[in-house]
Amino acid sequence: DQQVKQNSPSLSVQEGRISILNCDYTNSMFDYFLWYKKYPAEGPTFLISISSIKDKNEDGRFTVFLNKSAKHLSLHIVPSQPGDSAVYFCAARWSGGGADGLTFGKGTHLIIQP
Amino acid sequence: GAVVSQHPSWVICKSGTSVKIECRSLDFQATTMFWYRQFPKQSLMLMATSNEGSKATYEQGVEKDKFLINHASLTLSTLTVTSAHPEDSSFYICSARSGTVNTEAFFGQGTRLTVV
Repeated sequence: DQQVKQNSPSLSVQEGRISILNCDYTNSMFDYFLWYKKYPAEGPTFLISISSIKDKNEDGRFTVFLNKSAKHLSLHIVPSQPGDSAVYFCAARWSGGGADGLTFGKGTHLIIQP
Repeated sequence: GAVVSQHPSWVICKSGTSVKIECRSLDFQATTMFWYRQFPKQSLMLMATSNEGSKATYEQGVEKDKFLINHASLTLSTLTVTSAHPEDSSFYICSARSGTVNTEAFFGQGTRLTVV
């Protein structure tokens, strides 16, 4: 039972354009959401997060949007750069859950084309 | 961000032996550490959560006697895979967090375990 879903295994975007990565979740108790970037054989690197009390958070080229009613969040990268090519994981957490590790999606492989 | 170091980055061991993986927070005190496992093309799956000085909390389906976790200090947690089998071959990643729940967690670089 996948509580965090990233339905696009891969996404190809031209350099300079906007990359939009999507994530859906089913557990309405999740109240904190994060995006991580991961290269092969490395641990994930934190990119940006958003609390459920907000609908948008921006940090440089990265913006995360949260639509609670739709249980959907998205990561926008603009402009996309070659170094952005990596696997992006969406993750969620429930602060009141006790064991508060992250629940990850399966990831989306973003490929930035020159 | 803060630095979490995981060692070794890769290890090959024979079936039946035990392997220890270390996770260290280098520039902060980690009150909570997490251990994840990732199979190829799959998401990272939380295995267990450990708080310094107390027993780890294991996720459903994770054998606590097989995956021994020790969080003896605020900067070190270890995961020992006991009596390893080929199906234990995977990518193991730790993360560490200081402070409260909404404090950010930082990940180690991961350990590729291959059991032959």
